[in-house]
Amino acid sequence: AQSVTQLDSQVPVFEEAPVELRCNYSSSVSVYLFWYVQYPNQGLQLLLKYLSGSTLVKGINGFEAEFNKSQTSFHLRKPSVHISDTAEYFCAVSVGGSEKLVFGKGTKLTVNP
Amino acid sequence: DTAVSQTPKYLVTQMGNDKSIKCEQNLGHDTMYWYKQDSKKFLKIMFSYNNKELIINETVPNRFSPKSPDKAHLNLHINSLELGDSAVYFCASSQYITGELFFGEGSRLTVL
Repeated sequence: AQSVTQLDSQVPVFEEAPVELRCNYSSSVSVYLFWYVQYPNQGLQLLLKYLSGSTLVKGINGFEAEFNKSQTSFHLRKPSVHISDTAEYFCAVSVGGSEKLVFGKGTKLTVNP
Repeated sequence: DTAVSQTPKYLVTQMGNDKSIKCEQNLGHDTMYWYKQDSKKFLKIMFSYNNKELIINETVPNRFSPKSPDKAHLNLHINSLELGDSAVYFCASSQYITGELFFGEGSRLTVL
């Protein structure tokens, strides 16, 4: 069964600093990979996704992620964060053709002034 | 218009009671889901319906019973509520089997 590991439960950074949120997955077959963001007291919304093709995926709000098959990773990056990026970020994986999306435990990003 | 809407947004009730949460999506999607988010923010799938047919049923106590009257609606009924049922329940929908989910804003259930 597939699983997702988000290595950092909390990441504090200063405004305008770069950030990387780490995600590793385990699956022996092809996967689809996602990053979702959850702002306080809201539902989740899709930041970006990797289904196939280019391993560098660009998403909303200036975020991007790189799929690395050999390292089974899908780390999320942003070169310069804003206060408004403060939120919980979830990495998720679904095995190709499966309806089931498995989420990591989330990383709380806090951007300080 | 809200794409995926859940009601109620907040629910406070006593142990042993029965409660329902309703979900509607106006995106024309074929698949709907219920996810449970616990106090540590961990998200776990509970159920999934595709065109009113149950396709995913995780190891959820049978006190939880989903019902899908049509593909735009997926309701969750919970019998004999327990303290451990306190959580935020999210409804979601998707069109293609690619995992891109559209979430509702959640229903926060507190069992006293």
